[in-house]
Amino acid sequence: DTAVSQTPKYLVTQMGNDKSIKCEQNLGHDTMYWYKQDSKKFLKIMFSYNNKELIINETVPNRFSPKSPDKAHLNLHINSLELGDSAVYFCASSQGPGADEQFFGPGTRLTVL
Amino acid sequence: GENVEQHPSTLSVQEGDSAVIKCTYSDSASNYFPWYKQELGKRPQLIIDIRSNVGEKKDQRIAVTLNKTAKHFSLHITETQPEDSAVYFCAAINQAGTALIFGKGTTLSVSS
Repeated sequence: DTAVSQTPKYLVTQMGNDKSIKCEQNLGHDTMYWYKQDSKKFLKIMFSYNNKELIINETVPNRFSPKSPDKAHLNLHINSLELGDSAVYFCASSQGPGADEQFFGPGTRLTVL
Repeated sequence: GENVEQHPSTLSVQEGDSAVIKCTYSDSASNYFPWYKQELGKRPQLIIDIRSNVGEKKDQRIAVTLNKTAKHFSLHITETQPEDSAVYFCAAINQAGTALIFGKGTTLSVSS
C-alpha cells in the first residue's frame, strides 16, 4: 500500500505553461512538504503545511503556489514555467513538523523545454 | 538560519571497507539529526537518526555519532557492500523546529 504518492511521475512541458503536481499520503500524518531537487542533487525545502496551514514558505518565486485541501493532500501549482524550474519535485509527510521521520513520495521529474 | 555542510561530496571505497561522511551545523539549538539514503532514481529514505540527548547510535552496519560541542555529526558504514552505493544526505532541524535543512549530499560508490 503506497504511503506517499505523487502524480504525475514525469511532466514535460513548454516554457510559459501552467502545471500542477498532486500529492497524497495515507499515513495519517499532520505535516506535508514540498522539496525541489536540482540536477546537482541538492534537496531544498520549498513549503510545509501542518494541519492544512502553511508553516514554511522558503524563498520561492510566487509562481509556485501550494494548496492543501485536507491533511492528506498537498498539491503544487506552478504558473508561467521557466527553464530553471526543471528538477525533480518531492512531496513528503511526517507525523509532526520538524523532528519526525519524513516519508517521501516517488518524485515528479519536471522538464521545461 | 540553520546551515548544514556535508563532506565529502563523493566517496569511493572497496567492498568491505568502512565509509565515513561528516556534517557540521550552525544552529546550536538543533536537536535532531537524521540521515537519508537516496538510491539512483529513487526517493530519499531515512536510514538512521540521532537526537541531541545521545552521543552515538548504531543499527547493524550503520552508526551515527554526534558532538554537540563541536556541532558536527558523522555517519559510519562498516563492511560496505555494493548495495550501499547511493547518495547520502545529512540534515538538521531548523531554528523554528519546523523543517529539516539538508546537506548537499555525498555520493558513495562501493566497488566489488
